[in-house]
Amino acid sequence: EIVMTQSPATLSVSPGERATLSCRASQSVSSNLAWYQQKPGQAPRFLIYAASTRAPGIPARFSGSGSGTEFTLTISSLQSEDFAVYYCHQYDNWPGTFGPGTKVDVK
Amino acid sequence: EVQLLESGGGLVQPGGSLRLSCAASGFTFSTYAMSWVRQAPGKGLEWVSVISGSDGSKFYADSVKGRLTISSDNSKNTLYLQMSSLRDEDTAVYYCAKCAFGATLDAFDIWGQGTMVTVSS
Repeated sequence: EIVMTQSPATLSVSPGERATLSCRASQSVSSNLAWYQQKPGQAPRFLIYAASTRAPGIPARFSGSGSGTEFTLTISSLQSEDFAVYYCHQYDNWPGTFGPGTKVDVK
Repeated sequence: EVQLLESGGGLVQPGGSLRLSCAASGFTFSTYAMSWVRQAPGKGLEWVSVISGSDGSKFYADSVKGRLTISSDNSKNTLYLQMSSLRDEDTAVYYCAKCAFGATLDAFDIWGQGTMVTVSS
């Protein structure tokens, strides 16, 4: 099973600032990597697939990059609604596995 | 509007059974693989099971194999999860999720609101 790790566990950012979240896979997952956003009491929201393609309706301030084992989610200018937990998810190898999440909170 | 609506969660004793349902609308249910993903209280996301829309093949996480059974009824656009021999560690919010591009190993583009299963005596 591929193990996904995310760093940092918590990222404190001021509104308007840039946030950079990292995700690492224990072996290559090619570009089969997705990102989700989850707010308290809500279901996850689909943000990015194929490592760098935004899902429909996702604002351009969200961008993904990387391939193989190293991936990054960047939020260019944090809005109030972006404070949440972000999960990466590999769907290259069975079983699909999620990272433990990065919580983005207000600095 | 594409929507998934889960139901059937509740409190069950260890060793007990429960059946979750997920009603789908707004897309051609039979052509997509559908999954269950769970989240224990305060924890991260864990994939549980998937059923193929094309041939009905089913896959399970090792942690639930032999105890949880996924199924679907295309005439009702509904996904199910039959849960038996439940353990404390099965306590979680259970989400149904649509596989984005139809494959059984896939990203999840649509999620239900979740249904809580609590296993406790």
